[in-house]
Amino acid sequence: GENVEQHPSTLSVQEGDSAVIKCTYSDSASNYFPWYKQELGKRPQLIIDIRSNVGEKKDQRIAVTLNKTAKHFSLHITETQPEDSAVYFCAASMGGGADGLTFGKGTHLIIQP
Amino acid sequence: KAGVTQTPRYLIKTRGQQVTLSCSPISGHRSVSWYQQTPGQGLQFLFEYFSETQRNKGNFPGRFSGRQFSNSRSEMNVSTLELGDSALYLCASSLESGGTEAFFGQGTRLTVV
Repeated sequence: GENVEQHPSTLSVQEGDSAVIKCTYSDSASNYFPWYKQELGKRPQLIIDIRSNVGEKKDQRIAVTLNKTAKHFSLHITETQPEDSAVYFCAASMGGGADGLTFGKGTHLIIQP
Repeated sequence: KAGVTQTPRYLIKTRGQQVTLSCSPISGHRSVSWYQQTPGQGLQFLFEYFSETQRNKGNFPGRFSGRQFSNSRSEMNVSTLELGDSALYLCASSLESGGTEAFFGQGTRLTVV
């Protein structure tokens, strides 16, 4: 089955700096890669996603890049703000008629004032 | 539009008992997936239902089962509860099956004593 590795497990950055979280996946058939943000005691919320036919996608301060050859995708957050502090999860889905996300272990992002 | 609703929010059960959790997806969504979230293992996929059929199943023992009704509402059942089943159980709904945006409910916090 699919395996998703996520690094780092904890990331501390100064407010206003950029943050990068990296994930690798094992199954080359995976074609959908969402990122979720989970604040303490709350549900995971989708912040951005990318499909395998696209190399990069941006939404304001958030961007995701995908390298299908290397089976690697990354989340980039620019101009970080205190409200960006949360746990971020990457995931991979095979799609193709069946759902089910395989998640990375999560990255605890801490924004230092 | 109402979000994904899970009931109950909290449950305390004794080892050996069974439990049923409920998930009402977003109106119009036909796919429901279930996940177990623990501090040690992170978010792990249990199973996915689409149009009352189980489309995909994660690596969990047969004590974990589920079903989906014609109105897309889903239930998850865990029999012969073990202490290790203590976790946050999340369901997510998607419009269609296969690599589409998944929206999570608030989860059911199950504690087995």
